Amino acid sequence: NAGVTQTPKFRILKIGQSMTLQCTQDMNHNYMYWYRQDPGMGLKLIYYSVGAGITDKGEVPNGYNVSRSTTEDFPLRLELAAPSQTSVYFCASSYAGQEYGYTFGSGTRLTVV
Amino acid sequence: GEDVEQSLFLSVREGDSSVINCTYTDSSSTYLYWYKQEPGAGLQLLTYIFSNMDMKQDQRLTVLLNKKDKHLSLRIADTQTGDSAIYFCAAYSSASKIIFGSGTRLSIRP
Repeated sequence: NAGVTQTPKFRILKIGQSMTLQCTQDMNHNYMYWYRQDPGMGLKLIYYSVGAGITDKGEVPNGYNVSRSTTEDFPLRLELAAPSQTSVYFCASSYAGQEYGYTFGSGTRLTVV
Repeated sequence: GEDVEQSLFLSVREGDSSVINCTYTDSSSTYLYWYKQEPGAGLQLLTYIFSNMDMKQDQRLTVLLNKKDKHLSLRIADTQTGDSAIYFCAAYSSASKIIFGSGTRLSIRP
């Protein structure tokens, strides 16, 4: 019963490099989300998806891209990494009904130097 | 836009009750949540309350909702060292997303 799995757990990138943060869920949830959490701050929504083939921007989408080719996977792509993207990234998923809230992954800690 | 606000820090003595408060702006929020985040971990759903309820109790946790004032609180009875964490208040917004507060860091004094 894995829930939401994120890889990698830690990564250091140089400025200008690119990478993909992986997120997989095995609960057959339709909705998936990417958040970033800056030190001492709350969660900011980057992108979300309400089903395979459908994605939409959140509050802070600039510098990121997503795709949702399957129900299970929702990768987040960082192009041309910048120091401002140093953060902890959380993937989450949910059923369409909100009474269950979100199930979160354990996060990816990214540092851009 | 929609917003959820909560105080940043709370310190309580072990064995006392902790009360974490939160206000939200979207009066149409149907579900309100409390999440717990332990160091180095993701957020874990603690409890939620539907907007037609005033109170929900679950073992040591009591959630109170004042819809008129758009105020939500989480009471933890007999606070233990294992309750040290960041607690996030969240509201399901009319835009079909959950809006999170900035989190309240709860520390426990011996």
